[in-house]
Parts: sequence; structure tokens; C-alpha cells
Amino acid sequence: GENVEQHPSTLSVQEGDSAVIKCTYSDSASNYFPWYKQELGKRPQLIIDIRSNVGEKKDQRIAVTLNKTAKHFSLHITETQPEDSAVYFCAASRMDSSYKLIFGSGTRLLVRP
Amino acid sequence: DARVTQTPRHKVTEMGQEVTMRCQPILGHNTVFWYRQTMMQGLELLAYFRNRAPLDDSGMPKDRFSAEMPDATLATLKIQPSEPRDSAVYFCASGPVGGYQETQYFGPGTRLLVL
Repeated sequence: GENVEQHPSTLSVQEGDSAVIKCTYSDSASNYFPWYKQELGKRPQLIIDIRSNVGEKKDQRIAVTLNKTAKHFSLHITETQPEDSAVYFCAASRMDSSYKLIFGSGTRLLVRP
Repeated sequence: DARVTQTPRHKVTEMGQEVTMRCQPILGHNTVFWYRQTMMQGLELLAYFRNRAPLDDSGMPKDRFSAEMPDATLATLKIQPSEPRDSAVYFCASGPVGGYQETQYFGPGTRLLVL
């Protein structure tokens, strides 16, 4: 069945350093890849997404890269700040009638001041 | 800033009781999803609807869970009878469908504790 694997499960970085979270998907028909950030006790919030017709997308300090051949995509956060501390979820979906998101298991990011 | 709303935000109940959770999707969104989040299982998709019709509820325990959309502004998730293992945060999400619009927007969740 469809599956998304996410690594690492926890990540601790020093403020100002970069953080990278990686996801691998199994369904080769997947063509939409969002990333959600979930702060403690809050709802998951979309922070960036990428579609299969592009290889990279940036939004200020965050970027996502996609390698369709290898079926993996990554979230890059540069110049990390303490407020980046949260759980990050990747997801994959195919652009068909289902529109179902398959989520990774989450990465708990801690940015140390 | 339109948002998905959910009620109640917190619910404590005893085993065997019925629990009803409600969700109001963003106006104009025609796809509604129900997720359950626990520490062990992450985000699990329970069921989802498009244009009020159920599309997939394979993630939901059929014997005790039921999901409905009585109208376009209300989705409900019921558990009857509830069990301690149902304790989790239940999120509703909605999204517009059409072209490339797959983005889902989450509600604040209902934190359920079954004693």
C-alpha cells in the first residue's frame, strides 16, 4: 500500500544552523508533497508544498526539494530559530479523485538557543 | 482568515458513553477529512467526504465509529460506545477540490480522554 517514511524522528540543532528532514514515498503516482508544522497543542499548519512538475521551491528560510526518480523529498530550514521548534510532517498525494494525503510519522525538531 | 472549527475542544468521558465531535469546514470547501492523532500512531486518516458523500472510511473501526455530513457546513464523528483506547486528538481538515487544489487546512482538534 501507499507509504511515506520520514527521517529523522528527532532532530536537535543549534540556533542559526540548518535542519534537513527527509521523506521517501512508495506510490510513484504521487505528485503533490506538502509539509506541515505542528507546535505543541496546536493544529498542523501547512508551511510549504511542492508539485511534481518542479524540483525545488523556496519561501524565505524554508525550501523543499523533490527527486521524483528516487521518490524522495526534503525540507530544508536555514538559520534556524527557537520558534522553529515543532513537529514537522511530510505528506504525499496523487492528483486524482482521491486527494488523500499519506503522512509521514513526523520529526520533532528542537532548536537550542 | 477563514478557518476550520471543531467542537468540543476537550472532552472527558467514561468508557461506554457516546461521543460526538463536530466540524465546520471552511466555507466553499467540498472535501472534509477526519484524522486521529496519538503519540504512537501519528496522524491516521479515519474517513473523508467529498460533496458530503463518503469516499473512504477504511481507516475507521466500523463497529463503533461513524462519520456523516448532514449538510455542507457540518461534519460529525461519533464513537459509540467509547473505549479508553479511543483517547486521542481528533482533527478535522477541509480542502477545496478542483485543478491543483489539494491543500488541506486543519481544525484545532478535539482532545478526547476516555476513562
